[in-house]
Amino acid sequence: GNSVTQMEGPVTLSEEAFLTINCTYTATGYPSLFWYVQYPGEGLQLLLKATKADDKGSNKGFEATYRKETTSFHLEKGSVQVSDSAVYFCALRMEYGNKLVFGAGTILRVKS
Amino acid sequence: KAGVTQTPRYLIKTRGQQVTLSCSPISGHRSVSWYQQTPGQGLQFLFEYFSETQRNKGNFPGRFSGRQFSNSRSEMNVSTLELGDSALYLCASSRGGVGNEQFFGPGTRLTVL
Repeated sequence: GNSVTQMEGPVTLSEEAFLTINCTYTATGYPSLFWYVQYPGEGLQLLLKATKADDKGSNKGFEATYRKETTSFHLEKGSVQVSDSAVYFCALRMEYGNKLVFGAGTILRVKS
Repeated sequence: KAGVTQTPRYLIKTRGQQVTLSCSPISGHRSVSWYQQTPGQGLQFLFEYFSETQRNKGNFPGRFSGRQFSNSRSEMNVSTLELGDSALYLCASSRGGVGNEQFFGPGTRLTVL
């Protein structure tokens, strides 16, 4: 079946450090790919998305590129802030439905 | 525009009881999906409703059910609660077409004792 694997956390960084959270997927077909963020006590917020190969999603300084050849969608940010501390989820959605398949989530902690 | 609202936000039940959770989608949205979030299993899809019909279903036992009303509000019900049903239940709404962005509510935290 379709699945998403993302790096285990927690990831602890100092403010202004570079962030990478790895995400790979397995899917039969042509999924859309997403990164969601969850702050403590809240639901999920869409951070960015990409709907086809080589698309780059970006938002609030975060970026991810849909790489079909490596089945990856790694999240990056050049300079993290304390306010970026949250749980980040990589997810896919197949072209024929709205069901989201999520990775396990990666906790990010940014220290000042 | 108001976001997705879920009630109640917190709930404590005992084993064997049943529970009903409610989700009010964003105005104009016709699709509601439900997800269960647990530390062990992560985020798992329960079901999706569109125009009062279940459009897709995840791999959960029949104790988990849902429905959608004509105003697009949705409820999910869990009968004969088990300890393992303790979780954060999230609902997401979208306009309804395949591929429309989904917007998540804050969730209902269910604790089963």
